[in-house]
Amino acid sequence: AQSVTQPDIHITVSEGASLELRCNYSYGATPYLFWYVQSPGQGLQLLLKYFSGDTLVQGIKGFEAEFKRSQSSFNLRKPSVHWSDAAEYFCAVGGRGSQGNLIFGKGTKLSVKP
Amino acid sequence: DSGVTQTPKHLITATGQRVTLRCSPRSGDLSVYWYQQSLDQGLQFLIQYYNGEERAKGNILERFSAQQFPDLHSELNLSSLELGDSALYFCASSVEDRGHNSPLHFGNGTRLTVT
Repeated sequence: AQSVTQPDIHITVSEGASLELRCNYSYGATPYLFWYVQSPGQGLQLLLKYFSGDTLVQGIKGFEAEFKRSQSSFNLRKPSVHWSDAAEYFCAVGGRGSQGNLIFGKGTKLSVKP
Repeated sequence: DSGVTQTPKHLITATGQRVTLRCSPRSGDLSVYWYQQSLDQGLQFLIQYYNGEERAKGNILERFSAQQFPDLHSELNLSSLELGDSALYFCASSVEDRGHNSPLHFGNGTRLTVT
């Protein structure tokens, strides 16, 4: 079955600390992988995506993610978290078909301590 | 601002009723997607329209229907509402109908509460 697992429901980090949000996926075909961020009261915004090629992808707001096929993972990282990064983060997987037919994880809520 | 407009922002209605949610896509985008976000199910893809035609269907109930009009705005109709339909409904738009070269642009959602 196709699925995305984000094992951490809620993570709290101190401002300036590094961050890693975990994402594991199960997908039968070649996966297209995405990370989206949702701020309170807002829609989702794309942070980065992976289709093929270099397994380390850079996104907006200083985020990066690494695709590890052997581990079926696509973890999101940021070297130094800012208070404005507090939001909910969603990992998603899709195929080559319909662009919007993505399978989303349940999300990880990030809180940032001053 | 994503450029995707959803109305209304909030909707409170009773069980058994019917509601219509509206979405205006970003200028130039031909695809519209509807998603439901609930606490227990998370974010689920419902349906996609491209230039007026249905392109893909996800976990959309038979009580729900959608359409995309010639001016490219879309409406999601929810009927015979149940308590479990209470959720945040998102619309997203993109230029493409297939492929992932262009990102999805999400609206801010319509929060539906069924009492």
